[in-house]
Amino acid sequence: GAGVSQTPSNKVTEKGKYVELRCDPISGHTALYWYRQSLGQGPEFLIYFQGTGAADDSGLPNDRFFAVRPEGSVSTLKIQRTERGDSAVYLCASSLGSGGYNEQFFGPGTRLTVL
Amino acid sequence: GQNIDQPTEMTATEGAIVQINCTYQTSGFNGLFWYQQHAGEAPTFLSYNVLDGLEEKGRFSSFLSRSKGYSYLLLKELQMKDSASYLCAVRDNPSSNTGKLIFGQGTTLQVKP
Repeated sequence: GAGVSQTPSNKVTEKGKYVELRCDPISGHTALYWYRQSLGQGPEFLIYFQGTGAADDSGLPNDRFFAVRPEGSVSTLKIQRTERGDSAVYLCASSLGSGGYNEQFFGPGTRLTVL
Repeated sequence: GQNIDQPTEMTATEGAIVQINCTYQTSGFNGLFWYQQHAGEAPTFLSYNVLDGLEEKGRFSSFLSRSKGYSYLLLKELQMKDSASYLCAVRDNPSSNTGKLIFGQGTTLQVKP
């Protein structure tokens, strides 16, 4: 079956612009996570959705970052007024649940470059 | 605070055994995961430990000691394709039940012929 997909795979933008990153989780997975990975580092948690609601957004660095999941499936991470420091790979992951032996399946990521 | 430590780089020889260590200090604990990540690709799940002891899965084994805040990933019969980054991750506080993972910086393993 299909895994987690993310679009675009690469996004180059200019400082100050607005970007949207899309995640299609595995069908039936209710839990969805966004992480950010900088070069040479492990992924850093941004936000967690259980169904349609953002159950934990404690990892969002500031109010320029926002994410939605209106129908409990596809999610969009939105970044306003991008800064060069936002350049990173943005990873999406989904799982059947949030606890127990529920591994998170990761998508290939979107590499965001802010010039 | 939350802190997960693992070595930055390791080198090993094809056919050998390598052990990648991970120590953690987190506010809560609800399981420890190991992921493999090849350059430019998504992390893929390797193992999960929530109770103390050893979990074996083919050429890969993972050990956990909760009292010591310590885990290791053991890779046997190394192959060239095992060259990758290995990520140790702790699942956050069970009371919040978010399931979010706190990752170490990753250990880049280079397997040489």
